[in-house]
Amino acid sequence: EDQVTQSPEALRLQEGESSSLNCSYTVSGLRGLFWYRQDPGKGPEFLFTLYSAGEEKEKERLKATLTKKESFLHITAPKPEDSATYLCAVQGGKYNFNKFYFGSGTKLNVKP
Amino acid sequence: DTEVTQTPKHLVMGMTNKKSLKCEQHMGHRAMYWYKQKAKKPPELMFVYSYEKLSINESVPSRFSPECPNSSLLNLHLHALQPEDSALYLCASSQGKGGVSPLHFGNGTRLTVT
Repeated sequence: EDQVTQSPEALRLQEGESSSLNCSYTVSGLRGLFWYRQDPGKGPEFLFTLYSAGEEKEKERLKATLTKKESFLHITAPKPEDSATYLCAVQGGKYNFNKFYFGSGTKLNVKP
Repeated sequence: DTEVTQTPKHLVMGMTNKKSLKCEQHMGHRAMYWYKQKAKKPPELMFVYSYEKLSINESVPSRFSPECPNSSLLNLHLHALQPEDSALYLCASSQGKGGVSPLHFGNGTRLTVT
C-alpha cells in the first residue's frame, strides 16, 4: 500500500536547539518528494523538491535530505518564526503521476 | 501572497443552500486539484483535473461537484452539504505535464455548514 508516515507528530524545541523531522514512504515508483510548511488557517507553502536518493536541498535554517526509504528535514538553530506544521508529500504510485501522498505532518513549536 | 487565488476566504452555508468555491491560477499549470483539510489532519484529495478533464475523483459524494471551465479556473459547486463537511477547502495546481512538479496551494476557503 502506498503510504507516507511522518514522525514525530509534535516537536517542542527551545530557540537554537537543532533537530530533525522524519518522513518515511512506501510509495512505488517515486517521482519526487516534497516538503511543505503550513501555518494555521493557511495553505501549505512549498519548501523543497527532492528527486533521488542522496540529494540535499537547503534554505536558510532548513536542510532536506533523501534516502531510498525516507527523508529528513533538519532544522538548525531554529527561531520562534519556524513554528508551523511541516508536511511531507510524495508524487508517485503506479497509476497516476498527478497523485500525491501526504504524511500527517509534524507540528513544530519553537519557544524563545 | 500565493499564486493560486481562492474565493471566498470564508463561507457559512445552511444545509439546503447552493454555493460555489472558486480557484484561479496564472502559472500555466495544466493540473488542478481540490483538497479537503480537517483540523490537525493532512490535506485529503478530492478531485484532480488534468488538461481540463477530470482525471481523479476520490469517491467524493455527489453533493460536491467540480468544474474546470478552462486551464486557469477551477470551481467546486456545493449543494445539500452536511455539518461534517465543514473544513478548509484547498485548491492546488501543478505543471501536470508528466514530470516531477510540486503542488502550489492557495490559502483555502474556510467552510462552515450549519
